[in-house]
Amino acid sequence: DTGVSQNPRHKITKRGQNVTFRCDPISEHNRLYWYRQTLGQGPEFLTYFQNEAQLEKSRLLSDRFSAERPKGSFSTLEIQRTEQGDSAMYLCASSFGTGTYEQYFGPGTRLTVT
Amino acid sequence: LAKTTQPISMDSYEGQEVNITCSHNNIATNDYITWYQQFPSQGPRFIIQGYKTKVTNEVASLFIPADRKSSTLSLPRVSLSDTAVYYCLVGGSYNTDKLIFGTGTRLQVFP
Repeated sequence: DTGVSQNPRHKITKRGQNVTFRCDPISEHNRLYWYRQTLGQGPEFLTYFQNEAQLEKSRLLSDRFSAERPKGSFSTLEIQRTEQGDSAMYLCASSFGTGTYEQYFGPGTRLTVT
Repeated sequence: LAKTTQPISMDSYEGQEVNITCSHNNIATNDYITWYQQFPSQGPRFIIQGYKTKVTNEVASLFIPADRKSSTLSLPRVSLSDTAVYYCLVGGSYNTDKLIFGTGTRLQVFP
């Protein structure tokens, strides 16, 4: 399967712990996006990369959140000192080129903070 | 990005045609209209995109009137597997392709 993959699929953590999620985009895609989705809502944009450069970050992305995409391949999203409000589905998407709204999403990582 | 308004939910029966309308009164000249589908516990999936008039692919049709202030996603002969949330998005920035989702339309197809 050559689609977008995300690991882990589920993560349960205690408040205050750090968590890291990984996204592997479709190999030839140069753009990678992170979104967050809570129950009953549409996904919310967090940040995106073009190759290894992080080009935009949403105000939703507090200082506790950091994302990287070393060498323009896979990406990681880290949340430090998790809070219960961080519980959500974290979605990764990738696309090729610019000026397109056709993004390919992964299955997501569901985070539960207890 | 232009704000969109679409029905919260719709019900249909298998074999019927379903039309979901989206309002986007302040769409900009360079904005495209894009629809995504999302099943529970999965990421959204691109369905169709258009700028004006009509676009058709193997999955759906998209109708856009001349004033482009609304659009209609048409799903022919729906099946149970079309039960999902459908999102309408508008935008056309070439500096960023971030998607701005609303709450979507929850389509329930009954046998």
